[in-house]
Amino acid sequence: GEDVEQSLFLSVREGDSSVINCTYTDSSSTYLYWYKQEPGAGLQLLTYIFSNMDMKQDQRLTVLLNKKDKHLSLRIADTQTGDSAIYFCAEKRRGYNKLIFGAGTRLAVHP
Amino acid sequence: DGGITQSPKYLFRKEGQNVTLSCEQNLNHDAMYWYRQDPGQGLRLIYYSQIVNDFQKGDIAEGYSVSREKKESFPLTVTSAQKNPTAFYLCASSTGTAQETQYFGPGTRLLVL
Repeated sequence: GEDVEQSLFLSVREGDSSVINCTYTDSSSTYLYWYKQEPGAGLQLLTYIFSNMDMKQDQRLTVLLNKKDKHLSLRIADTQTGDSAIYFCAEKRRGYNKLIFGAGTRLAVHP
Repeated sequence: DGGITQSPKYLFRKEGQNVTLSCEQNLNHDAMYWYRQDPGQGLRLIYYSQIVNDFQKGDIAEGYSVSREKKESFPLTVTSAQKNPTAFYLCASSTGTAQETQYFGPGTRLLVL
């Protein structure tokens, strides 16, 4: 199974908040990332959090990290149609030279 | 503008043919990566390179080859040994430090004729 798990689909109404969740298994994770992918495009880095932090806020984005439960979430405030995309979480493990990606959550925003 | 470019955007491969996907970066990054993305799946690492003239296999290297002769370039060859090459291929680069933020190119979609 996936070492990094995400729910596959989320549907929200425009203007509401979206919360995308991610769980990981390795306690040696040092950094955790959120990327956004629009159709037919590459991945765009949204934000990242260091593992000794609980929260990071950047404009409409809030990242929460529960290291005890190995749970990461991305909250998008005032979700807009332009936020419709696939969101990937990824972890960087200590001593590894690569990122481990989840399968991605497809966010659909409807009027 | 600094960034990562991939070409072509679409590539068609005939049976038994090798094809090469280009990836160039002008971010002065030491590390470069190739990922494969299939529908409904996350990214799977094919090869990565931490420094010029050195590269390592990722999780799904069979049927692929790479070279890293220049810091800016990391081409990926999909060989005829790769029996299911249809996918979206993404190249990324990073500084290679502990804070491993990877920046991605726009991708190449490979289709088999």
